[in-house]
Amino acid sequence: QQQVKQSPQSLIVQKGGISIINCAYENTAFDYFPWYQQFPGKGPALLIAIRPDVSEKKEGRFTISFNKSAKQFSLHIMDSQPGDSATYFCAASSGSGYSTLTFGKGTMLLVSP
Amino acid sequence: GAGVSQSPSNKVTEKGKDVELRCDPISGHTALYWYRQSLGQGLEFLIYFQGNSAPDKSGLPSDRFSAERTGGSVSTLTIQRTQQEDSAVYLCASSFTGGPITTEAFFGQGTRLTVV
Repeated sequence: QQQVKQSPQSLIVQKGGISIINCAYENTAFDYFPWYQQFPGKGPALLIAIRPDVSEKKEGRFTISFNKSAKQFSLHIMDSQPGDSATYFCAASSGSGYSTLTFGKGTMLLVSP
Repeated sequence: GAGVSQSPSNKVTEKGKDVELRCDPISGHTALYWYRQSLGQGLEFLIYFQGNSAPDKSGLPSDRFSAERTGGSVSTLTIQRTQQEDSAVYLCASSFTGGPITTEAFFGQGTRLTVV
């Protein structure tokens, strides 16, 4: 049973556009929702994360929107740049003293020049 | 070290052989995780260490997979009698966990395992 569902699988956005990636979770015990960015040949790197006590978090061009009642969260990349082309993973974990992450299947983002 | 280091970067092995994958976590990080990344499947949790003990081994796919951690630092993931379906990128991550505090997980670059 997949506990974090991510969509779309792939996304093409023009430079300067907005990239939107969505995730939905099932486990109501999840209380930490990070997004990871992965470039080819590299390990995932934390991009931005949110806890359910806030509905939105913004860091530069990256924003997480969180809807606790719908059990959904999304990543918005404003003014998308070719350098943002990567695979993005949403994830979730529960505060049980360690942070084993449950990941979505990833979204391959291509920002065309 | 400055980051999580994994070795080898790439490993090609024959079906039926045993392989060992190594992870050097960030110094001082108490928690260590192994994940497997298959094409189009995201990251699959394998095992978690806190210090040298493994309170969560629930993700290990079969008894051919085992892992150990020594000295609260280096970890080795061993796959015995490798099968073609074991081909994947194996990622290691570490974080600091102390009481109520858990830092983000930092990932290594992974070991790409190909079983032929």
